[in-house]
Amino acid sequence: QVQLVESGGGVVQPGTSLRLSCAASGFTFSNYGMHWVRQAPGKGLEWVAVIWNDGGNKYYADSVKGRITISRDNSKNTLYLQVNSLRAEDTAVYYCSRDGGQSGYDYVFDHWGQGALVTVSS
Amino acid sequence: QSALTQPPSASGSPGQSVTISCTGTSSDFGGYNYVSWYQQHPGKAPKLMIYEVSKRPSGVPDRFSGSKSGNTASLTVSGLQAEDEADYFCNSYAGSNNWVFGGGTKLTVL
Repeated sequence: QVQLVESGGGVVQPGTSLRLSCAASGFTFSNYGMHWVRQAPGKGLEWVAVIWNDGGNKYYADSVKGRITISRDNSKNTLYLQVNSLRAEDTAVYYCSRDGGQSGYDYVFDHWGQGALVTVSS
Repeated sequence: QSALTQPPSASGSPGQSVTISCTGTSSDFGGYNYVSWYQQHPGKAPKLMIYEVSKRPSGVPDRFSGSKSGNTASLTVSGLQAEDEADYFCNSYAGSNNWVFGGGTKLTVL
């Protein structure tokens, strides 16, 4: 079955950087686009970024453009999110999610990981 | 795009039906019918419940249905059950590789 497992979260100081990872299994990772979605404590979901299956195309929400980089290593079945110049408002649970297009669910998030909590605090 | 607008809360008694709305602008919906809905129980990951406005993935009970009229999408939960108590989020593909979520609705089963 599809499994997505995030790692790399924790408590970090403002202005520093962090890299989150998402290990994928149970499907052919290189066939699917992948997203990062975040959720601030007690708040709603916010789409952050997408990377298409070959890694050649990446797109970002305007709110994070310039500070966040999405990448993937298809040989390791792993998705990454690099967040620079961390701010208090970046505090959130970061979910990786599979784009459902290859499974017939166009433009939706058909499987989600359990999330990684990032807390930005001095 | 700003977030799609959802009511913060909704409620109903077991067996009743509840409808949750999701309102945006024409640019939020991008002229597409790629509206989806997600259920999230406390401390859990979201789960896809509805895609392309009204389609259900396999395994989702037919008590869940979706619709869209103009710039408002809706999720209806019929025959409410205790396990339906959760947060529900709408989402739309807005075009140009951009997605927008609603602020979420907390559904309480009385």
